[in-house]
Amino acid sequence: GQNIDQPTEMTATEGAIVQINCTYQTSGFNGLFWYQQHAGEAPTFLSYNVLDGLEEKGRFSSFLSRSKGYSYLLLKELQMKDSASYLCATTDSNYQLIWGAGTKLIIKP
Amino acid sequence: ETGVTQTPRHLVMGMTNKKSLKCEQHLGHNAMYWYKQSAKKPLELMFVYSLEERVENNSVPSRFSPECPNSSHLFLHLHTLQPEDSALYLCASSQGLENTGELFFGEGSRLTVL
Repeated sequence: GQNIDQPTEMTATEGAIVQINCTYQTSGFNGLFWYQQHAGEAPTFLSYNVLDGLEEKGRFSSFLSRSKGYSYLLLKELQMKDSASYLCATTDSNYQLIWGAGTKLIIKP
Repeated sequence: ETGVTQTPRHLVMGMTNKKSLKCEQHLGHNAMYWYKQSAKKPLELMFVYSLEERVENNSVPSRFSPECPNSSHLFLHLHTLQPEDSALYLCASSQGLENTGELFFGEGSRLTVL
């Protein structure tokens, strides 16, 4: 079957680093995506990985290992505004997105 | 002007009512989507339109009826809904079906069915 797992909730401290993990099982693979969703707002695209390795974009980095069906989103120098839900998603062989339930990240001062 | 606009933002309706949700995208995209988002659950894809033609209908009950009159507009017509249909309904667009991973979402319509 098709499945994406990510932790339900995480807590981190302002200024610190946090890693949000995502494991997936899909029929076919055409990329892994991370989205950010603040409470009451629309999800916004953060990153896309299709090859193994680390993609860095400012304070945010995303890693992919296709052989392990594993990805993580790394957030550095955490700010209070990073408090949000982070959604992991991957595309199946029909290019349709399969979504995880999201990880709610709580940042404390 | 935001890329994807949804109206209304909030809707309360009884089980016998008929209402519609509206979505408009100003990005020149060719594909549009309706998603349902319930608390602590993954986003559920409901419908996909490409160049105004429906290409995906994920076993959605007939009480939800989509309409795509042109590539910029998408509607979701609602009738005889159930309380379990209460959720956030998100509209999204992408350049094309091959770009389903990079979606641009609207703010959503929060639906409450009494």
